[in-house]
Amino acid sequence: QSVLTQPPSASGTPGQRVTISCSGDYSNIGNNYVYWYQQFPGTAPKLLIYKNTQRPSGVPDRFSGSKSGTSASLAISGLRSEDEADYYCAAADDSLSGHAVFGGGTQLTVL
Amino acid sequence: EVQLVQSGREVKKPGESLKISCRISGYRFTSHWIGWVRQRPGQGLEYMGIIFPHDSDVRYSPSFQGQVTISADESSNSVYLQWDGLQASDTAVYYCARHVNYDTSKNPAFDFWGQGTLLLVSS
Repeated sequence: QSVLTQPPSASGTPGQRVTISCSGDYSNIGNNYVYWYQQFPGTAPKLLIYKNTQRPSGVPDRFSGSKSGTSASLAISGLRSEDEADYYCAAADDSLSGHAVFGGGTQLTVL
Repeated sequence: EVQLVQSGREVKKPGESLKISCRISGYRFTSHWIGWVRQRPGQGLEYMGIIFPHDSDVRYSPSFQGQVTISADESSNSVYLQWDGLQASDTAVYYCARHVNYDTSKNPAFDFWGQGTLLLVSS
């Protein structure tokens, strides 16, 4: 059971806008930044969003992050087939001596 | 070019010891924290801990404290993850990852990752 809760799956059709939620509590999301990773099968994760809303260089602006209270969301607009992957949220958790925790992951299917 | 190259697949028996490596190149070894992340088969990511190679300051996630040892060797530009008594539950892919230098070390911000080391522990 992950400290951060994500839906196990999400889906959308090409061109659609999809959002993936990440729910926590005050000790993690409520008091810390949220990060999002994309992972394709058999490969290492890739940083998509840092500090709630920031995109690293090279990440398309189709990907956006937001945070409100103890929840966060990743939105993907103009969905493409190549977006089909697993997505993980992450945050530091003050109840774990400030160490990071990941969500359980959401498998995104592009129909 | 920043690269984190991990050691290869390992097959071990319960109780055995193991040390896997993450060799770093393309930037100053001592300038960034390096973290380790576990991914069990078909499961999600788990943060294990982080080390600052400059002074070998190590911080372990509570779940992994006492279970593994993280170390660094500047002479080989490598970071290591070590077990002294493997269990079947250690079967997983282990990733090393470079922490960004524009965020504090407690935040899970990793910009470059190794390719992963698959560890199989079975009798």
